[in-house]
Order: sequence, then C-alpha cells, then structure tokens
Amino acid sequence: GAVVSQHPSWVICKSGTSVKIECRSLDFQATTMFWYRQFPKQSLMLMATSNEGSKATYEQGVEKDKFLINHASLTLSTLTVTSAHPEDSSFYICSAGQSPGTQYFGPGTRLTVL
Amino acid sequence: QQQVKQSPQSLIVQKGGISIINCAYENTAFDYFPWYQQFPGKGPALLIAIRPDVSEKKEGRFTISFNKSAKQFSLHIMDSQPGDSATYFCAAKVRGSNYKLTFGKGTLLTVNP
Repeated sequence: GAVVSQHPSWVICKSGTSVKIECRSLDFQATTMFWYRQFPKQSLMLMATSNEGSKATYEQGVEKDKFLINHASLTLSTLTVTSAHPEDSSFYICSAGQSPGTQYFGPGTRLTVL
Repeated sequence: QQQVKQSPQSLIVQKGGISIINCAYENTAFDYFPWYQQFPGKGPALLIAIRPDVSEKKEGRFTISFNKSAKQFSLHIMDSQPGDSATYFCAAKVRGSNYKLTFGKGTLLTVNP
C-alpha cells in the first residue's frame, strides 16, 4: 500500500512554456501533499505544502505565481511550472502524507527546459 | 539553520559489513523520525521510522537506535549488500504538524562487493 505516482516521469520543454506535473495517491486519500525540488547530490528542498480544497502554503523564496499548485481532490495534486526557464530544470518530487506522520514519495519528474 | 544534522556525508563499506549513519537534532518538539532510501533518479522510499518513546526499532537488516537525552538517532544496516548502495536521508516531524518533515542532508552509501 501507500503508493504515490507522478506523471510525467520526464519532460523536455522550450523556454517560456508551461509544464504541468501530476501527483496521485493511488491507494489512500491524502489531505496533505508536498512538492519538493532536488538538485543533483543534494537533499530535498520543500517548495510547498498542498492541502486539499485550500490554497497551498509556499516556503520562503518560492514564487507562488511561477509554481502553481492545485489540490482539487484527496488523491490528486498538480504542480504547474509557468513560463519555464532553463534555471527551472530540476528533479521535482511530490509526496503524500499518511498517518502517523509519514510521507510517501512519488518517483519524481525530471524537467529539462531548453 | 539546519535542524537535523546528518553524518557522514558519504560512507564506503565492504559487503557484509555494518553501515552506520547518524543524525542529531535540537528541536525537542520533534516526535517522529523516519529514514528514507533514495536510488539515483528515483523518489525517496520510506525505510523505517521511530517515535521517541522507543529506544530501538528493528526491521530486517535495518535498525534505528534512538537516544532521546542526547537528541541523536542512527540507522544501522547489518550485513550490508551492494544493493543497499543509495543515498539515505534522516528526517524529523514536529509534534502536531501536518506531516511536514525536516530532512538531513543525506548520506551516500557505497557497499563494495
């Protein structure tokens, strides 16, 4: 149990375009999901906390207008990178929270902006 | 300010040996301590977790030792195998928080055959 999927697993886009990444909890409902960014050989950097039915809470320094997060249902959260630029290229990982305090992570999405 | 300090940054162990990764924290409001294993290009996977009212938890070859007074916890991998080669992250959750975790910087473990 506790499986989280992400789609797509990798995406290449042109500078200036927008990219949407989906995160789904497959076998449980998640009122809270998280979006992380990870640079090579570094730890996980929390971008935002996504709560079902309410606005996401962004970490300091993360542009909420650039990284749009929507958590419309108990099993789906989306991250949209708007007007992507090469510096947005990274590995994006979502997770879903489940009792008693664990996060289950998706497989990640590799974004490359040309 | 790094709230969870993880060491070492990298570790090389021979097959069959014991791998030990340590984490230390300052925030006494932490009440849940999971460890994650991450292979290159993959998302982290929950390995094992412990609460501070328990001093040790074992699952197969993986053991967490927890020292509440010292505010330290460690992951022990017994009989380490080449397939255990990965990056390991310790983490901690604040009591009452909504699943939000604070992560250590990670340890790259290499198990030589």
